[in-house]
Amino acid sequence: ETGVTQSPTHLIKTRGQQVTLRCSSQSGHNTVSWYQQALGQGPQFIFQYYREEENGRGNFPPRFSGLQFPNYSSELNVNALELDDSALYLCASSLRQDNSPLHFGNGTRLTVT
Amino acid sequence: GNSVTQMEGPVTLSEEAFLTINCTYTATGYPSLFWYVQYPGEGLQLLLKATKADDKGSNKGFEATYRKETTSFHLEKGSVQVSDSAVYFCALFKNTGNQFYFGTGTSLTVIP
Repeated sequence: ETGVTQSPTHLIKTRGQQVTLRCSSQSGHNTVSWYQQALGQGPQFIFQYYREEENGRGNFPPRFSGLQFPNYSSELNVNALELDDSALYLCASSLRQDNSPLHFGNGTRLTVT
Repeated sequence: GNSVTQMEGPVTLSEEAFLTINCTYTATGYPSLFWYVQYPGEGLQLLLKATKADDKGSNKGFEATYRKETTSFHLEKGSVQVSDSAVYFCALFKNTGNQFYFGTGTSLTVIP
């Protein structure tokens, strides 16, 4: 089975710009979650998508938004980038929107200068 | 609010030593508890889980018991190997908000 894949692996953006990160979920998984992991910290929940609808959101401002497509792949969009947005962004898919184990991708390293 | 606190690292052990990584949580109700592991160069992956009080999760020689009375889920292994060197994350899941909460991670290095 194909695991979770994320693109790009690395990205450098300037403050104020916008960025789109992409994720393909593991086959058979209909739920995708996004996490932000700052250096030396644990992953922080951004939001979860189930059947193309956002059905859970962490403590992140509206400039963090997402999409899920009919094939369950997903995008994370961040507008008006700030220096503090520099982090590893992790995508995770799961079988269901409950306590099903998360299957993580290797992440996208975003640097904002 | 919901949160997870785990012991700070880094932890360095000799091969075959006993491992304990402490994890305590704050949450209302009955969350599900997890340990995830991140090996060098790889993504996070599930190590073990427990979904109700007194459950014991186990995998690859690692164990953790869900202790409601002490709100803890400590990770243990009787004899670590060099291949266990990784970062370990304790996490809880709450149905409210469909959200996982992760600890800050504990780096383990096992030396031959």
